[in-house]
Amino acid sequence: GAVVSQHPSRVICKSGTSVKIECRSLDFQATTMFWYRQFPKKSLMLMATSNEGSKATYEQGVEKDKFLINHASLTLSTLTVTSAHPEDSSFYICSARERGPQETQYFGPGTRLLVL
Amino acid sequence: QKEVEQNSGPLSVPEGAIASLNCTYSDRGSQSFFWYRQYSGKSPELIMFIYSNGDKEDGRFTAQLNKASQYVSLLIRDSQPSDSATYLCAVSPTGTASKLTFGTGTRLQVTL
Repeated sequence: GAVVSQHPSRVICKSGTSVKIECRSLDFQATTMFWYRQFPKKSLMLMATSNEGSKATYEQGVEKDKFLINHASLTLSTLTVTSAHPEDSSFYICSARERGPQETQYFGPGTRLLVL
Repeated sequence: QKEVEQNSGPLSVPEGAIASLNCTYSDRGSQSFFWYRQYSGKSPELIMFIYSNGDKEDGRFTAQLNKASQYVSLLIRDSQPSDSATYLCAVSPTGTASKLTFGTGTRLQVTL
């Protein structure tokens, strides 16, 4: 149980284009999903918290107009990197928190974005 | 600022030995503690979580929590080369429900 998928796993795009990344909880309902980014040899950096049916909460320094998050259902959240630039190249990882009293987050496999 | 600190390593242990990974946190009111394993180029994988003081065992892994000392550790018995990875400690601080604060991770190398 507790499987989270992400799609695509890898994407290469030209500078200025937008990229959408999907995060799905496959076998549980996730009231909350989280989006992280990770640079090589660095730890996870939380970008935003996404709650089903409401606006995402962004961490300080993360541009909400740049990184659009939608959490339309209990099993799907999307992150759209708008007008991507080379400095947006990173490893983007989502996680989903299972409904219930526990705080456990389960991570998706990640999406590696390369902006040329 | 709420922090989670780990020694970056690398921590090198021979195959079959016990690996001991340590983590300290600054928020005394933290309630939930997690250990994740991350292989290079992959996303984190949950190994264990612990909420209460004391030890919690799961197979070769034992998590230890001491809230008075604000310290959580992970012991890996009979270390295998496949255990070589970065281990991330994560803490759920008071009042932030499910948001986790991650340490920078300890890189473990299990040598043959």
